[in-house]
Amino acid sequence: EVQLVESGGGLVQPGGSLRLSCAASGFTFSSYSMNWVRQAPGKGLEWVSYISSSSSTIYYADSVKGRFTISRDNAKNSLYLQMNSLRDEDTAVYYCARDPGMATINWFDPWGQGTLVTVSS
Amino acid sequence: SYELTQPPSVSVSPGQTARITCSGDALPKQYAYWYQQKPGQAPVLVIYKDSERPSGIPERFSGSSSGTTVTLTISGVQAEDEADYYCQSADSSGTRGVFGGGTKLTVL
Repeated sequence: EVQLVESGGGLVQPGGSLRLSCAASGFTFSSYSMNWVRQAPGKGLEWVSYISSSSSTIYYADSVKGRFTISRDNAKNSLYLQMNSLRDEDTAVYYCARDPGMATINWFDPWGQGTLVTVSS
Repeated sequence: SYELTQPPSVSVSPGQTARITCSGDALPKQYAYWYQQKPGQAPVLVIYKDSERPSGIPERFSGSSSGTTVTLTISGVQAEDEADYYCQSADSSGTRGVFGGGTKLTVL
């Protein structure tokens, strides 16, 4: 069974940092691109970042560029999101999602169950 | 920045057909994808590449495209289809993901 499990969420003060992880299983992780998508409480979905299978291609939404860093470790079947200089508006459930694309953004399937990040003093 | 536009809400009675539209300038160049999200759950892909249906998704879900508008059609709506639906695509270069604002489907 293809499965994605996020972890690392929690409460952090504005200006702080947090690192999210996404553990993949049930498929050849190194063959797929991955994305992070977030959803603020009661709001819609927002794409955050993309990384290709070999980490050679990375994209960010303008709202997080320069503050967030996406990375992956194919040996550990894991995806990461390092979030620095966190703001109140970064409060959201963060999902990781698999992407079949090679260097452009395609569809997201499946998604993990999400991990909640709360930025508050 | 690039945007996709969806109606905030659509209401239908059980057994009727629901149509949810999504408009965006780059849709003639980029495929659209549709997700269903029920309360407290992660989104689930229901349509990819404008009109393809993933395995396990009921045949009553279909997608179509015409110019700058794509449409998700749910035929013979059932109570279990009540959910939020999001369209998703990419900008013209394929380097920025984008979601529509979401449409809440209410089954009366």
